Amino acid sequence: QTVVTQEPSFSVSPGGTVTLTCGLSSDSVSTSYYASWYQLTPGQAPRTLIYSTNTRSSGVPDRFSGSILGNKAALTITGAQADDESDYYCVLYMGSGISIFGGGTKLTVL
Amino acid sequence: QLQLQESGPGLVKPSETLSLTCTVSGGSISSSSYYWGWIRQPPGKGLEWIGNIYYSGSTYYNPSLKSRVTISVDTSKNQFSLRLSSVTAADTAVYYCARRLGLPGGFDYWGQGTLVTVSS
Repeated sequence: QTVVTQEPSFSVSPGGTVTLTCGLSSDSVSTSYYASWYQLTPGQAPRTLIYSTNTRSSGVPDRFSGSILGNKAALTITGAQADDESDYYCVLYMGSGISIFGGGTKLTVL
Repeated sequence: QLQLQESGPGLVKPSETLSLTCTVSGGSISSSSYYWGWIRQPPGKGLEWIGNIYYSGSTYYNPSLKSRVTISVDTSKNQFSLRLSSVTAADTAVYYCARRLGLPGGFDYWGQGTLVTVSS
């Protein structure tokens, strides 16, 4: 069974830069997996940050960027702010209409 | 501005069928550019993709839920719906509906989510 892997937790200092990754248990992630990234804050609807690997969703500041780093999809946050403290999820398109979410990364800003 | 709103019972008994509807406003569900999807998040756990539907009725389901899931669309009402049969406590979750940018694309608009609890 294919598993999408994310770091369970990460911490970053205010103003710092952090890169979260999204990998596959059985393959390297490429642009063919159309990685997308979402920010979840308790009590709020999920916020779409990035889709199709590196396209920023409307209204998302350019502090957020997506890429392929090595064999994983990556979400980089520069100039981290207190309200970036959230859970971040990636999802990969596996083909044949199937998508799989990663387990999520809890980002702490301190 | 596109808006999606989930509706349905907040409490379902074990072994019964969970039914939710997503009403789309500010845009047409019949647009050829988009798919429409359901995602859930059990308490304390991560997001899980449930399935997608196109306005024509084509569906794609999570293999782990496929035997119990039905997603349908009603273009006349600008709505799509989720039915999940034979529910157990493990199906307790916040259920979200969302618009998808084509089949491989990401979800760009989300509903606020609705908590469904499975309990007798």
